[in-house]
Amino acid sequence: EIVLTQSPGTLSLSPGESATLSCRASQSVSSSSLAWYYQKPGQAPRLLMYGASIRGAGIPDRFSGGGSGTDFTLSINRLEPDDFAVYYCQQYGTSYSFGQGTKLEIK
Amino acid sequence: QVQLLQSGAEVEKPGASVKVSCKASGYMFSGYAIHWVRQAPGQRLEWMGWINAENGDTKYSQKFQDRVTITRDTSANTVYMELRSLTYEDMAVYYCARGDVSNMWPFDFWGQGALVTVSS
Repeated sequence: EIVLTQSPGTLSLSPGESATLSCRASQSVSSSSLAWYYQKPGQAPRLLMYGASIRGAGIPDRFSGGGSGTDFTLSINRLEPDDFAVYYCQQYGTSYSFGQGTKLEIK
Repeated sequence: QVQLLQSGAEVEKPGASVKVSCKASGYMFSGYAIHWVRQAPGQRLEWMGWINAENGDTKYSQKFQDRVTITRDTSANTVYMELRSLTYEDMAVYYCARGDVSNMWPFDFWGQGALVTVSS
């Protein structure tokens, strides 16, 4: 099983700032089959990014993704109040597995 | 619009079984897969298995293979997930999510979740 490790565990920032979240895989993720989701309390996860760098439907261009192999990042520019949530990465190249999440909180 | 509507919260005793449903609407049911993912308190999301809504083929995570069964009713556009031999470690929110039948693909729509409580 591919284990995904996200960092940092918690990121404290202010609206208007930029965020960079990291996701590291225990082995290479095939075909950049890496997705990002965000989840607000009491809600289901929502697909943000897939194929490492392709934004999901309706996701603004303030969100960008990158990386390949075992190291991936999610960047968020000009943070808005609604962006503060928990972010999960997922690999779907070899079965399916998720990272433990990064909590983006308001400073 | 695409919607996955799950059944409500359940309370079960240890050793019992639970069956959660997921009714799909707003798209061609047989053209996609439905996955099941659970989230225990403070834990990461955990993939349990999936079903090809077109032909009923299933694949399960090794962790759950002996205890979970995913089925579908094409006449009702509904998928079911049954988990047997419940323990306290099975207390979690259970989500269904839509995926692709022919490729490994992320989950683009999710149900609202169903809380399963295990209590004696």
